[in-house]
Amino acid sequence: AQSVTQPDIHITVSEGASLELRCNYSYGATPYLFWYVQSPGQGLQLLLKYFSGDTLVQGIKGFEAEFKRSQSSFNLRKPSVHWSDAAEYFCAVGDWRRGSYIPTFGRGTSLIVHP
Amino acid sequence: DAMVIQNPRYQVTQFGKPVTLSCSQTLNHNVMYWYQQKSSQAPKLLFHYYDKDFNNEADTPDNFQSRRPNTSFCFLDIRSPGLGDAAMYLCATSRDSQAQETQYFGPGTRLLVL
Repeated sequence: AQSVTQPDIHITVSEGASLELRCNYSYGATPYLFWYVQSPGQGLQLLLKYFSGDTLVQGIKGFEAEFKRSQSSFNLRKPSVHWSDAAEYFCAVGDWRRGSYIPTFGRGTSLIVHP
Repeated sequence: DAMVIQNPRYQVTQFGKPVTLSCSQTLNHNVMYWYQQKSSQAPKLLFHYYDKDFNNEADTPDNFQSRRPNTSFCFLDIRSPGLGDAAMYLCATSRDSQAQETQYFGPGTRLLVL
């Protein structure tokens, strides 16, 4: 089975600082990778996704992620964090099951932003 | 403007008392999903529908059932809720089941079991 590891449970940054959230995946072939954000009490929103092509993917809200096959990683980055970015971030890999691609989620990283 | 709607946002039920959570979508998507998310954990897929075809995850307890009477609506029935079923339940949709399709999530229903 495919899996995703997010090694950091919590990350704390100061507003305006840069951010990198780590994600490592386990997948036999070319992975389909996603980053989602979940604000408190809300559903998940897709930030960006990677399927093929350029390994640096741009997403919404100023986020980007870089796919590195050699490291089995898909880390999420943002150059300058805003207080409104405080949320839970989930990395996911698309897993082919029963005729559909189903995202398998990591356990999430909680981002805390200090003023 | 709402695309995936879940009602209610908060549901309180008693131990063993059947409860139904509802999800509707205005996107006309073929696929609908139900996830269970416990505190500080990843969303866990319970089942999904591709149109009328129902797909149950192997580890989804029999206590959880689902119905999709039409394209727009999908229901999650918990026949005899236990304390361990208290969680956030997320509904999601996608246009199709291919890898590049984006999932759109509703805001979730938080279930409390007393």
